[in-house]
Amino acid sequence: QLQLQESGPGLVKPSETLSLTCTVSGGSISSGGSYWNWIRQHPGKGLEWMGYIYYSGSTYYNPSLRGRVTISIDTSKNQGKNQFSLKLNSVTAADTAVYYCARTDDSNPSRGMDVWGQGTTVTVSS
Amino acid sequence: DIQMTQSPSSLSASVGDRVTVTCRASQSIISYLNWYQHKPGKAPRLLIYAASTLQSGVPSRFSGSGSGTVFTLTISSLQPEDFATYYCQQSYNVRWTFGQGTKVEIK
Repeated sequence: QLQLQESGPGLVKPSETLSLTCTVSGGSISSGGSYWNWIRQHPGKGLEWMGYIYYSGSTYYNPSLRGRVTISIDTSKNQGKNQFSLKLNSVTAADTAVYYCARTDDSNPSRGMDVWGQGTTVTVSS
Repeated sequence: DIQMTQSPSSLSASVGDRVTVTCRASQSIISYLNWYQHKPGKAPRLLIYAASTLQSGVPSRFSGSGSGTVFTLTISSLQPEDFATYYCQQSYNVRWTFGQGTKVEIK
């Protein structure tokens, strides 16, 4: 059964880069079959899709993030790691949110995101 | 971007009630509409895709309908575990967008 788990610092200083990792278990990123997404939820607000990466490395980002976001697949320095990452640079307090990773089946991407991580809270503050 | 607007923003209902949530798109999205359930501290859960297809494992009391710009999520008989926030999401174009959410609370 596919499972996703987000990890990373819970506190980031303004103007710095937010870096999060999503660990995938029960499936392999490199075998294809999925788009790997990042979504966030600002406090008390709705969900915002940030972007996705395909196993080939191709990406698509939400234009509202104005080029601040990068999603990549981690080349494993440790055997067996199966992860993709989010980097968001020049953060401000407006980037404080719960960040989720999620999966979309590439056989029909319009079917939405069917597996999600539990989310990780990131606060931007000095 | 395609704007998604849900109504109401919140509602109070009792166990056993029939509940309907509406989602409107700023342009036609045909049937490229998905519904999610989200409980605090939990991962969002895909309930319905393609406007009316129930995701595997989702109880049959959930149903979806609509096409074009107006869609509805219906819970036929509200259960205690259904108290949550519900989001619609358009997948018509790759700039996926969500509605602002509808919180279903206990009356």
